[in-house]
Amino acid sequence: DQQVKQNSPSLSVQEGRISILNCDYTNSMFDYFLWYKKYPAEGPTFLISISSIKDKNEDGRFTVFLNKSAKHLSLHIVPSQPGDSAVYFCAAMRTSYGKLTFGQGTILTVHP
Amino acid sequence: DAMVIQNPRYQVTQFGKPVTLSCSQTLNHNVMYWYQQKSSQAPKLLFHYYDKDFNNEADTPDNFQSRRPNTSFCFLDIRSPGLGDAAMYLCATSPIGGGYEQYFGPGTRLTVT
Repeated sequence: DQQVKQNSPSLSVQEGRISILNCDYTNSMFDYFLWYKKYPAEGPTFLISISSIKDKNEDGRFTVFLNKSAKHLSLHIVPSQPGDSAVYFCAAMRTSYGKLTFGQGTILTVHP
Repeated sequence: DAMVIQNPRYQVTQFGKPVTLSCSQTLNHNVMYWYQQKSSQAPKLLFHYYDKDFNNEADTPDNFQSRRPNTSFCFLDIRSPGLGDAAMYLCATSPIGGGYEQYFGPGTRLTVT
C-alpha cells in the first residue's frame, strides 16, 4: 500500500523553462510534506517543505504547492538549470509520529 | 562540516554471511534512522532510534538488527543476507524539536553474491 506516489518516473525540461514535479498521497493524516533531491552516489538532500496549514512555500527558484482537498502537492523549479538534474523524492509525515514516507522518485533532466 | 558518514560506501557479501554497515554523525542529533532502498523504489524505513530507544517497523525482517552504542554511531547488522537484501542502505538523522527534516548519509550499496 503505497501512501505517497510520484506517477512520473522521469521528466525532461529545457534549461530556463519551468519544471513541475507532482506527488499524490492517500493518508489524510499526513500534515507535513518535504521534497528531497538526490544526485548519483549521494544521499538525499532536503530541498523544501510545507506544512498542511499552508498551500504554498517558496524558497528562491523552488516553490511547493499543496492542495489538501486533492491530496496533491507539486514542486515548481523556475528557471530550471542543468545542475537541477537529479532524482526528486516527495515525502510526507504525520508530525506526531515523526516518520517519513517517501514516493518512488522522479528523474529530472534539464537540457542546456 | 557537520555531516552523516556511512562506511563502507560499497559492500559485497556472500549469501548467508553476516555483514555490518556503519553510520556516524557529527550533527549531535538524537534520532537516527536506517532505510533500505531498492532500485527505482522509495526508501523504506527499517527502524529508528529515538535517543537510545529502539523502534522497529512492523514489516522489518528479523534478519535485520541494529545497535546504537552512543549518540554518534549506529550499526545495521544483517545476520544472514539473502539475494533479496541487495540494496542501497541509507542512514539519516534528525534533531528532537529542531524541525522535521532528516539529514542523510551517502548510503552503502550492498551486493550479495
